[in-house]
Amino acid sequence: EADIYQTPRYLVIGTGKKITLECSQTMGHDKMYWYQQDPGMELHLIHYSYGVNSTEKGDLSSESTVSRIRTEHFPLTLESARPSHTSQYLCASRKQGDSPLHFGNGTRLTVT
Amino acid sequence: QKEVEQNSGPLSVPEGAIASLNCTYSDRGSQSFFWYRQYSGKSPELIMFIYSNGDKEDGRFTAQLNKASQYVSLLIRDSQPSDSATYLCAVNGGTYKYIFGTGTRLKVLA
Repeated sequence: EADIYQTPRYLVIGTGKKITLECSQTMGHDKMYWYQQDPGMELHLIHYSYGVNSTEKGDLSSESTVSRIRTEHFPLTLESARPSHTSQYLCASRKQGDSPLHFGNGTRLTVT
Repeated sequence: QKEVEQNSGPLSVPEGAIASLNCTYSDRGSQSFFWYRQYSGKSPELIMFIYSNGDKEDGRFTAQLNKASQYVSLLIRDSQPSDSATYLCAVNGGTYKYIFGTGTRLKVLA
């Protein structure tokens, strides 16, 4: 069983607020990812990291930012939340090579 | 053409039957293939992965890969109502990028 944790599980906030979604893994994985998924829709990659101090934007244009100061921690920040950010955010990690992604439980964000 | 294609379903099968889920991909250089199960409102859960042509079995699940035809399939034997979920196919081309299909919704009828 994968040990990857996301907090909060659910979040409802007002427009314009700054928020940080937390993601931590205890498996020592170098590779970490953030995906966005609307209900019934496909996963879209928004950020990924190869390791400490390495972050890249994914395919989906996003107004969020990420940081990777420690191997186990990969937080995602929205500086000014908007209703269009309402979605489920999924964090994932994996080992080296072609290993599978392991997902956290997700954060369901609602911006009012 | 999408990079990873799946029939959205729903695919309805009776309890105890074999469910067959298919996925095609466009990048011939793809090297690794994954099947995830996702219940409504939950995160994807890894079921199987396969790297080589042929079949790979794990319990009631069998993954089949045919690189020449660029398809990968998942068979679920003795389907149970608890197998009702969306099944996501994911493909990796050897880079950071894992491409997901939109998923096939499976309904197992009791």
